[in-house]
Amino acid sequence: QKEVEQDPGPLSVPEGAIVSLNCTYSNSAFQYFMWYRQYSRKGPELLMYTYSSGNKEDGRFTAQVDKSSKYISLFIRDSQPSDSATYLCAPRGDTGRRALTFGSGTRLQVQP
Amino acid sequence: NAGVTQTPKFQVLKTGQSMTLQCAQDMNHEYMSWYRQDPGMGLRLIHYSVGAGITDQGEVPNGYNVSRSTTEDFPLRLLSAAPSQTSVYFCASRETGVDEQFFGPGTRLTVL
Repeated sequence: QKEVEQDPGPLSVPEGAIVSLNCTYSNSAFQYFMWYRQYSRKGPELLMYTYSSGNKEDGRFTAQVDKSSKYISLFIRDSQPSDSATYLCAPRGDTGRRALTFGSGTRLQVQP
Repeated sequence: NAGVTQTPKFQVLKTGQSMTLQCAQDMNHEYMSWYRQDPGMGLRLIHYSVGAGITDQGEVPNGYNVSRSTTEDFPLRLLSAAPSQTSVYFCASRETGVDEQFFGPGTRLTVL
């Protein structure tokens, strides 16, 4: 079993829809949770960063962490065609090395 | 700032050939790393470096060598290419003590 699991998609939604992207993990030592966005044929870039359980909002994006069920979500409101990308969740434990464990990503397509 | 740059963008090798993937960053980041990205597997850490002269193995180091003679450069060497090394390779860097990693645009490698 992989430490971090994501549905690969593709997830296709119409412009303006609310999108929910999800990630499950098995390592209870994970404390920090990141979402990276990767456009086609580009390197990933950090989108959201949260610590422990709870919600964090940044514009149209909300990251939600439920440590009790080991479940991470990224919500996108009013989705735009420019949000079409692959979204990778990347949790890490509380160690000095700050090593990330990346999920395989969910591909999102927002149709205009 | 150019950020993280990688060369070449594309490369085709024959089994048994060797080559070096170049990575450079101009952000004065101490931490640099190499990942490979394969379909359904996410990003997997190959090698990393916490500063000039210091390198260590990641999750999938076999078949790869690294060195770090300067803060700016972190080349990845394939000693004897195998078809299993066909992948997209990403170099990343970050500041010490900070989680956000900055990724290069990637090198697409095919080994025949």
